[in-house]
Amino acid sequence: QTVVTQEPSLTVSPGGTVTLTCASSTGAVTSGYYPNWFQQKPGQAPRALIFNTDKTHSWTPARFSGSLLGGKAALTLSGVQPDDEAEYYCLLYHGGAQPWVFGGGTKVTVL
Amino acid sequence: QVQLVQSGAEVKKPGASVKVSCKASGYSFSHSAGYYIHWVRQAPGQGLEWMGGINPDTGDPSSAPKFHGRVTMTTDTSINTAYMDLRRLTSDDTAIYYCASETFGPTKKSFDCLGQGTLVTVSS
Repeated sequence: QTVVTQEPSLTVSPGGTVTLTCASSTGAVTSGYYPNWFQQKPGQAPRALIFNTDKTHSWTPARFSGSLLGGKAALTLSGVQPDDEAEYYCLLYHGGAQPWVFGGGTKVTVL
Repeated sequence: QVQLVQSGAEVKKPGASVKVSCKASGYSFSHSAGYYIHWVRQAPGQGLEWMGGINPDTGDPSSAPKFHGRVTMTTDTSINTAYMDLRRLTSDDTAIYYCASETFGPTKKSFDCLGQGTLVTVSS
């Protein structure tokens, strides 16, 4: 069974920078895993932020960026704002019988 | 822009089935290749779980192994609506169920839009 691992929680100061990572139990994450990232605030549906590792949607704030870092997918928040406090989920494509697997989520606290 | 509107909350007894709908606007199921509708669920206080999906253009479904034999995903292209039917419900199926649209191509897999969610409560 494929497992996708994220940091359970991270804390960042307003205006600071924080990087979230997303690892797969199958090995190094590459662009072929088509990393997608989502933001979810309490009581709301998730919102898509990033696709294809580093591509942003038209509604994605410029302070959010995606990349590959040390064999993992990464989401970087730069110039963090209080409104960025949320849970962030990555989603990786593995193909086969279980094509898509979510990470467990990272709770980002802005403090 | 794609928008997805889901059916309302459901309360079911253990052993029953539930069918959740997801109506899409902004594109046509029957005239748009390169789109996929996924189903994702979230148990109370838990993370997101990919359940499966369907290509509205071809009708080809796929589902996660843990749901094999228990979930059916379909579409009605005449009303641009996708459905997720989950059978033999247990209390572990209590969750918010989301549909999500994906646009895909040879080098692209983009989850774009999610529905508002449908709360399914399984209780005796």
